[in-house]
Amino acid sequence: AQTVTQSQPEMSVQEAETVTLSCTYDTSESDYYLFWYKQPPSRQMILVIRQEAYKQQNATENRFSVNFQKAAKSFSLKISDSQLGDAAMYFCAVYNFNKFYFGSGTKLNVKP
Amino acid sequence: DAGVTQSPTHLIKTRGQQVTLRCSPKSGHDTVSWYQQALGQGPQFIFQYYEEEERQRGNFPDRFSGHQFPNYSSELNVNALLLGDSALYLCASTHWRRTGELFFGEGSRLTVL
Repeated sequence: AQTVTQSQPEMSVQEAETVTLSCTYDTSESDYYLFWYKQPPSRQMILVIRQEAYKQQNATENRFSVNFQKAAKSFSLKISDSQLGDAAMYFCAVYNFNKFYFGSGTKLNVKP
Repeated sequence: DAGVTQSPTHLIKTRGQQVTLRCSPKSGHDTVSWYQQALGQGPQFIFQYYEEEERQRGNFPDRFSGHQFPNYSSELNVNALLLGDSALYLCASTHWRRTGELFFGEGSRLTVL
């Protein structure tokens, strides 16, 4: 079984500051993908960033970047220059064999 | 270009009833997956359809069944509803050959009384 753990149920960040969301996972597979999805109050899940496990270089997407530590099975998301629109639930996910396994999510609050 | 669309957005059922939820995938996508998201939890994989066949299934009982039509749209059916089936049901679509590129709909909120 594959499990994804997000140990921070809720976090807060001041607008324009940086915040890091943590994620650890457990898989016995060598070929997999990692994702961060954002779910605003409107409910639609939106892809934030993805990382192929075979790539050592950490993925970046504008203000979003990851710290991927394969040996430690850790996949954290850093949001720089936080904006009010970043407020949402953030889900970490592992993808393997056409299945997604999601964590329980971290609620991010952004303070003006 | 319409994204993933789901219907209905909200519905209320009583225990023992049956429900059908519908999903139209994003244009160009041929694979549909269904997820159950309980309140305060992450989505849980139910099953995936490709070429009108169930290709993968999560840890859900046989009360949960599905179908995919030739136009790639899909239905999720739940029989003998239980209170614990109350959740947001998310449909996601992708192209079979594009690894992990999932696009989600806004979901159908099911309440079982």
